[in-house]
This record gives sequence, structure tokens and C-alpha cells, in this order.
Amino acid sequence: GAVVSQHPSWVICKSGTSVKIECRSLDFQATTMFWYRQFPKQSLMLMATSNEGSKATYEQGVEKDKFLINHASLTLSTLTVTSAHPEDSSFYICSASGLAHGEQYFGPGTRLTVT
Amino acid sequence: QQQVKQSPQSLIVQKGGIPIINCAYENTAFDYFPWYQQFPGKGPALLIAIRPDVSEKKEGRFTISFNKSAKQFSLHIMDSQPGDSATYFCAAGASYDKVIFGPGTSLSVIP
Repeated sequence: GAVVSQHPSWVICKSGTSVKIECRSLDFQATTMFWYRQFPKQSLMLMATSNEGSKATYEQGVEKDKFLINHASLTLSTLTVTSAHPEDSSFYICSASGLAHGEQYFGPGTRLTVT
Repeated sequence: QQQVKQSPQSLIVQKGGIPIINCAYENTAFDYFPWYQQFPGKGPALLIAIRPDVSEKKEGRFTISFNKSAKQFSLHIMDSQPGDSATYFCAAGASYDKVIFGPGTSLSVIP
């Protein structure tokens, strides 16, 4: 149990375009989802926290107009990187929480490359 | 008060050895301390987690030791295998809330 999926697993886009990444909890209802980004050989940095039906809470320094997060249902959250630039190239990982003990389970990640 | 420190940055052990990774936190409100294992190009996988009401938790070859007064916790991997070679992250947070990740430890288990 506690499976989280992400789609796509990797994406290449041109500078200035927008990219949407989906995060789904497959076998449980996720009341809270988290979005992280990870640069090579670095730790995970939390970008935002989203609760179903509410606006996302962004961490300090994260541009909310650039990284749009929607948590429309208890099993789906999306991250849209708007007007992507090469510096947005990174590994984006979501996690979901909603089980009895509040554990976070992570998706497999999405590798974004902006050319 | 939100920082989680982790050491060592990297660790090399021989097969069968017991690598130990240490973490320290600052926020006394934290009550959830998970450990994650991450292989290259993959998302982190929850290994084991502990809460402050116990001082030790064991699951298979993985053991967490927790010292509430010192605000420290550690991961021990018994009988380590080459397949355990990965990056390990400790984290700390409040139940049902965000967790703060440590910087990670790269573990190599050599045959």
C-alpha cells in the first residue's frame, strides 16, 4: 500500500513554455500533498504544501505565480511550471500524506529539463 | 529552529558492517522522525520512522535510536549489503505536517 505515482517521469521543454506534472495517490486518500525539488547530489527542498480544496502554502523564496499548485481531489495534485527557464531544470518530487500516522510517501519524481 | 543536521556526508563500509548515520534537530515541537532511502534517479522511499515516545525502533535490518533530551537520532543498518548503497536522508517534523530533510549521507557498501 501507500503508492504515489507521478507523470511524466521526465520531460524536456523549451524555454518560455509551461509544463504540468501530476501526482497521484493510488491506494489512499491524500489530505495533504507536498512538492519538493532536488538538485543533483543535494537534499530535497520543500516548495509548497497543498491541502485538498485549499490554496497551497508556499515556502519562503518560492514564486507562487511561477509554480502553480492545484490539489483538486484527495488523490490528485498538479504542479505547473509556468514560463519555464533553464534554471528551473531539476528533479521534482511529490509526496502524499493521509494515512493514520501521518507518514509521507513519495512519488518516483519527474526530471524536468528546460532547453 | 528548523534545521536538521546529518553526519557523515559520506560513508564507506564493507559488506556485513554496521553503518551508523546520525542526525540532530532543534525544534522541540517535532514529533515525527523518518528515514528515507534514495537511489539515483528515484524518489525517496520511507524506510523507518520513530516518534518520541520510544527510544528505539527496529524493522528488519534497520534500527533507529532516539535520544529526546539530546535531540538526536540515528540509523543503524545491520549486516549491510551492496544493495544498501544509496543516499539516506533523515527528516524531522510534526505529525501530519511538513518534514525538514537533513542534507543526506551517501552510503557505499563494498563487497
